[in-house]
This record gives sequence, structure tokens and C-alpha cells, in this order.
Amino acid sequence: EAGVAQSPRYKIIEKRQSVAFWCNPISGHATLYWYQQILGQGPKLLIQFQNNGVVDDSQLPKDRFSAERLKGVDSTLKIQPAKLEDSAVYLCASSYGQGAEAFFGQGTRLTVV
Amino acid sequence: AQSVTQLGSHVSVSEGALVLLRCNYSSSVPPYLFWYVQYPNQGLQLLLKYTTGATLVKGINGFEAEFKKSETSFHLTKPSAHMSDAAEYFCAVSPLNNDMRFGAGTRLTVKP
Repeated sequence: EAGVAQSPRYKIIEKRQSVAFWCNPISGHATLYWYQQILGQGPKLLIQFQNNGVVDDSQLPKDRFSAERLKGVDSTLKIQPAKLEDSAVYLCASSYGQGAEAFFGQGTRLTVV
Repeated sequence: AQSVTQLGSHVSVSEGALVLLRCNYSSSVPPYLFWYVQYPNQGLQLLLKYTTGATLVKGINGFEAEFKKSETSFHLTKPSAHMSDAAEYFCAVSPLNNDMRFGAGTRLTVKP
């Protein structure tokens, strides 16, 4: 079974630039999560999709972050414009649904300079 | 909202000693509970989970956790630590709407 795929693995941008991350979940997984993990902290949920609908985006900074999951499969997370404090690892995860294990991708390490 | 508290950001044990990593959650109803491990420069991997049924849950690599509703706790234990257990451990809670929230993590160091 293929795992959760994320790209790119690493990205360095200057502040005020934009950046996009891509995630391909495990086939058949209806639930998709995006997390932000700042160095030394636990993953913080940014947004949760159920198929192509948003379940929870209460912690997503909507003035600069956006995410979509067209057709209920792949997802992209965008930051525009980036700030220094956005430097973190962005993790994508997917699961079958309620109570199910979430499978994580390797993450994208973003450095904003 | 659900929340998770992990007591102790850093735990150090000797090889062969008991490992105890603490996790408490806040919830009006028993949620689903998880422990994940993260090795350096790797993604998160599930150790074990509690959904319903038996409150003592066994996971991979000799780890187990006990769900105690009266204490709102889900502490992770392993009888004998191995050097390869050195990693960051995260407790997570998932309430009925399938939202998954993580604690701040506990870094486990194993001394030879």
C-alpha cells in the first residue's frame, strides 16, 4: 500500500513570497489533514477535509493560508504572503474516518528567510 | 474543544529501565486516543490507539497504554527501554467529529 505522498520535501523562500505544498493521500481515505509542526512543538491542525468538504479550519490563518481538495483526492496548501514565523514542517495525513489511524507523509520543511 | 497535555517535555531513562510517558486529555465524552512516535527527520508513526473495549492497549515495539476514564489519562509505558526507543512521542485525541489534536510531545532519551 502506497503511503501519503508530499512534495516538495524542502523549500526555502523569502518573506512575502508565496509557496504551495502538495499532498496525495492514501487511496480510499476520505479524511485528509494538514498540520503545522514548529520545531520543538506538537503538530497543530490547520485544516481537515472530509472528501472535498472542509470539516474544521478554525486554526487556519485565513488571511494568508488557503487549502483545497479538489475531487476529494489530492490537496494543496498555499501560503501567500509568507512570514518568518511560518517556518515549520507541514505535515499531511489521511485516514479512513472516525477513530481510524491517521497515516502521515514525510512532511515539507519550509524555511522563510 | 478537546485538548491534550503531556507532562514532561523531556524524559531520560537508562537502558533496561521502565519508560513512563504521561498524557492527560480534556473531554466531556471519552474520545479516541492515540500515541505516535517520531524519529529524527521522519514522519509520525502510530504506536497504538484506544477506541472502545479493553482499556489496556498494546502497541508496537513493546509499548502499551492504559485508558483511565476517571483520571482522563492515557499514559504510555514500556517495561524495559532500548536505545532504539529514543525519539519524540506524541499523544493525540480524536473526538467524535474525527478532528485529531496533538500534545506538545515528550522527547525520550535512553542512556546506555
